[in-house]
Amino acid sequence: GAVVSQHPSWVICKSGTSVKIECRSLDFQATTMFWYRQFPKQSLMLMATSNEGSKATYEQGVEKDKFLINHASLTLSTLTVTSAHPEDSSFYICSARVGGAALNQPQHFGDGTRLSIL
Amino acid sequence: AQTVTQSQPEMSVQEAETVTLSCTYDTSESDYYLFWYKQPPSRQMILVIRQEAYKQQNATENRFSVNFQKAAKSFSLKISDSQLGDAAMYFCAYRGRNAGNMLTFGGGTRLMVKP
Repeated sequence: GAVVSQHPSWVICKSGTSVKIECRSLDFQATTMFWYRQFPKQSLMLMATSNEGSKATYEQGVEKDKFLINHASLTLSTLTVTSAHPEDSSFYICSARVGGAALNQPQHFGDGTRLSIL
Repeated sequence: AQTVTQSQPEMSVQEAETVTLSCTYDTSESDYYLFWYKQPPSRQMILVIRQEAYKQQNATENRFSVNFQKAAKSFSLKISDSQLGDAAMYFCAYRGRNAGNMLTFGGGTRLMVKP
């Protein structure tokens, strides 16, 4: 089946640093990738939709300058949390959609990244 | 906008018994997909089962089955012969064209399985 690899799985860093999270589709081309944020005991909240070769579409309330998304190839999307602060600590999950925008195209998830800002 | 509601924050089931998790959604679309995802403590999102709205037959995957009531906009998940490994968060999700084919998740139900 389709595999989505997310790296790193856990990162701890000091406040003020920038952190990059990678999301790769290993055995398929993903025109569209999604980035979610999940707080403890809560559901997944869509942050942005990443389309290969174009600017990401951010959900309302998500700071574009804080969460930089780049989707430079059909197999890689990156999320950079710039000047991270403790309130950015969370679980971030990426997801990639196989093929086009048809409703029946499955969406596969990475294993997530636990970000802890000290 | 579409909304997905899971009214049970937590559920508990005895091992080998059957449990049903509830999900309702709100939409004006006629063509859409519904999903149940499982998120164990490892936090990996695992697709459990999916249902196409135009299919009247309820989807089944081994011990997992759904009760899809389109008119009532209800999509419950039944887990038969519950196993300890079924303990997880379960999320109901909707995907339709009006939301750009993106998944809309419910708030989740935490399932505990008692040995």
